[in-house]
Amino acid sequence: EVHLVESGGGLVQPGGSLRLSCAASGFTFSAFWMHWVRQVPGKGLVWLSRMSRDGSNIAYADSVKGRFTISRDNVRDILYLQMNSLRVEDTAVYYCGRDVNSAVDSWGQGTLVTVSS
Amino acid sequence: QSALTQPASVSGSPGQSITLSCTGASSDVGAYNHVAWYQQHPGEVPKLMIYDVTNRPSGVPDRFSGSKSGNTASLTISGLQAEDEADYYCSSYTTSNTVIFGGGTKLTVL
Repeated sequence: EVHLVESGGGLVQPGGSLRLSCAASGFTFSAFWMHWVRQVPGKGLVWLSRMSRDGSNIAYADSVKGRFTISRDNVRDILYLQMNSLRVEDTAVYYCGRDVNSAVDSWGQGTLVTVSS
Repeated sequence: QSALTQPASVSGSPGQSITLSCTGASSDVGAYNHVAWYQQHPGEVPKLMIYDVTNRPSGVPDRFSGSKSGNTASLTISGLQAEDEADYYCSSYTTSNTVIFGGGTKLTVL
């Protein structure tokens, strides 16, 4: 069974940084592209970033380009999202997800990031 | 890039068929057959219902079907059931090598 577990969320001040992790199990992590998606509670889904199997193909939404960095460790089966220069509007639940033809077929439970002074 | 356009709300009665729309542009929905649909019940994580316009993942009832015409994709739910009441989101791959979601549609089963 596919299992994705996000961690690393919490409270951070505007301008601060956080690194989110997504531990994968139940499938061959290195064989799949992976995504990060966020959702403000009560609002819609927003796609953030996607990384190819070997990390050679990376894409970001304009809203986070230059501030967020996606990466992965195919030995430890972990996906990361380094978030810098955080803004109040980055407050959301952050999900990692497994890719199937640019869709997300498996989702973690999410980790809440709160950016506030 | 702006989100794909979905109606804010749709309603239907049990047993009815309803269709949810998702309108994009020639740079996303109209460019590729990589349109997906997700169902999200309150307090739960999204669930993939359709990918590549028409494909259903294992376990998704065949009451759910997808289609696309030009820049607009559609999700049809036939034989509407109470448990289908949820938020539905569409997404599409884009010519910028990104993915974009719609704003979501709240489906109410009357």
